[in-house]
Amino acid sequence: DSGVTQTPKHLITATGQRVTLRCSPRSGDLSVYWYQQSLDQGLQFLIQYYNGEERAKGNILERFSAQQFPDLHSELNLSSLELGDSALYFCASSQTGGGTGELFFGEGSRLTVL
Amino acid sequence: DQQVKQNSPSLSVQEGRISILNCDYTNSMFDYFLWYKKYPAEGPTFLISISSIKDKNEDGRFTVFLNKSAKHLSLHIVPSQPGDSAVYFCAASSWGANSKLTFGKGITLSVRP
Repeated sequence: DSGVTQTPKHLITATGQRVTLRCSPRSGDLSVYWYQQSLDQGLQFLIQYYNGEERAKGNILERFSAQQFPDLHSELNLSSLELGDSALYFCASSQTGGGTGELFFGEGSRLTVL
Repeated sequence: DQQVKQNSPSLSVQEGRISILNCDYTNSMFDYFLWYKKYPAEGPTFLISISSIKDKNEDGRFTVFLNKSAKHLSLHIVPSQPGDSAVYFCAASSWGANSKLTFGKGITLSVRP
């Protein structure tokens, strides 16, 4: 158990809909990262938050947004969903906001868009 | 543009033999490298890392080698065990406040009993 909690574990929805994925980081970790793993793809970095502030942005679509709340949990909002958004979405946390801190991953949220 | 490449999608080895998993990178700013292991229905877990000031790091059965001039690293598992069967991701980062891990696509290792 990494200590990172993601909900829901599985989600099935239709195209055009909006979903919210939730992540609770390990106790004491200030940084939260979101990654997307599509079929036959590696882990694609989406976005990072550190202590409530956006720290780094990767290949995140404009239809997607995220935030980190004062209690340090984070939410990833996916809107106007398309079939290609079907993927495994991982949240990870670390103590620091950069450098070479090890990331601790949750079990992922599997999103299926029909 | 894949900055971290794991060109072999899968590897099968006999139990007790050596497993060698390869990884190449293109970004010369990367100076810290990690390997993560992932079992089905679980998140990736950290396995071993190496900084660019070293060329080898060993932890039990796992050794990571780094060849900076070739921008290549490899993970050696000796001896391989059936429980090592998993997807292995190579990742890289550079020092800095905004550094993030860039992952390869992963290699599926199967260790045959």
